[in-house]
Amino acid sequence: DQQVKQNSPSLSVQEGRISILNCDYTNSMFDYFLWYKKYPAEGPTFLISISSIKDKNEDGRFTVFLNKSAKHLSLHIVPSQPGDSAVYFCAASDQGAQKLVFGQGTRLTINP
Amino acid sequence: DAGVIQSPRHEVTEMGQEVTLRCKPISGHNSLFWYRQTMMRGLELLIYFNNNVPIDDSGMPEDRFSAKMPNASFSTLKIQPSEPRDSAVYFCASRTYTNTGELFFGEGSRLTVL
Repeated sequence: DQQVKQNSPSLSVQEGRISILNCDYTNSMFDYFLWYKKYPAEGPTFLISISSIKDKNEDGRFTVFLNKSAKHLSLHIVPSQPGDSAVYFCAASDQGAQKLVFGQGTRLTINP
Repeated sequence: DAGVIQSPRHEVTEMGQEVTLRCKPISGHNSLFWYRQTMMRGLELLIYFNNNVPIDDSGMPEDRFSAKMPNASFSTLKIQPSEPRDSAVYFCASRTYTNTGELFFGEGSRLTVL
């Protein structure tokens, strides 16, 4: 039972354009959401997060949008750079439970 | 500062053998998590500890899997007997108990069971 879903296994974007990665969740108790980035042979690293009291959080080229009514969040990367090529994981937590539930990941490839 | 340290980085074993994966969390972190990465399910939480005490092991696939945290600086994940379907990358992660967000991951242990 996948509570956090990333329905696109892969995404290819041209350098300089916008990358949009999507994530859906089913548990209405989730109130904190994060994106992690993973390079090959490395562990995931934290990228950006958003609390359920907000609908947008921005950090440089990265912006996360949260639509609570649709149980949907997205990560926007503008402009996309070759170094952004990686697997991106969406994660969610219910602060009472403290654990992070991850999605399946989306492999982003930025083409020169 | 040293990050989360996992060993071995790679393990190849035969079906039926015992496998032990090791993790040293970041000093001062009192929550430790074991995840497994597969293509189909992404990062699955297997078990997590707060202050060395297992809190939730509902993700542990079956009795062949066990995890311990004898002290604040060491944890093991054991698979006995191992099966080919256990082949995956196993990640350990840690954070402070009061931090509701960011986890710090190790580089993972890639397990191949033949």
